[in-house]
Amino acid sequence: SQQGEEDPQALSIQEGENATMNCSYKTSINNLQWYRQNSGRGLVHLILIRSNEREKHSGRLRVTLDTSKKSSSLLITASRAADTASYFCATDETSYDKVIFGPGTSLSVIP
Amino acid sequence: DGGITQSPKYLFRKEGQNVTLSCEQNLNHDAMYWYRQDPGQGLRLIYYSQIVNDFQKGDIAEGYSVSREKKESFPLTVTSAQKNPTAFYLCASSITRVANVLTFGAGSRLTVL
Repeated sequence: SQQGEEDPQALSIQEGENATMNCSYKTSINNLQWYRQNSGRGLVHLILIRSNEREKHSGRLRVTLDTSKKSSSLLITASRAADTASYFCATDETSYDKVIFGPGTSLSVIP
Repeated sequence: DGGITQSPKYLFRKEGQNVTLSCEQNLNHDAMYWYRQDPGQGLRLIYYSQIVNDFQKGDIAEGYSVSREKKESFPLTVTSAQKNPTAFYLCASSITRVANVLTFGAGSRLTVL
């Protein structure tokens, strides 16, 4: 079962611009996380937002969560070429002891 | 340094052969996971384990087997019953089920010839 769905599938922006990625999910969750993956590597955890939180910041990252719409967004401000990677949202369903990942957004930041 | 070690990084297999992918962690994490990733795709859960000597099937367990005899180790065997095993395999761990922030290994790329 695929819980999260990211949008857009691919995003290309100029260095210095902001990048926004969205994630939608289907069931009740305990928390939602965002991960980053450089090509051919493992995933790296970026940020976790709990179901009772609405917004969270970490450096240039800003995550929002709307549980009524079952959606989240990840904003990367002042993007850099080094931000080029795939970004995945992951949800921790309340009914199951597992973390489910969406298909990801591929971000390209052009210098 | 604490982390997760996956080996081998690259593995080639002939059809009909079983192969075992190693995953070792020194983070003292209780929970461990195996995911499969196909080109341009997200991660699909194969198996997970919350405690030693116990594990549960994920969404695509058919053709795979695991064991959890030690807290540090969670090997994955890709059996000949797995019809399309060529993929990138990722092992992860988390402190416990609660919060479930995952730490990932670098991955193992399996190619069936």
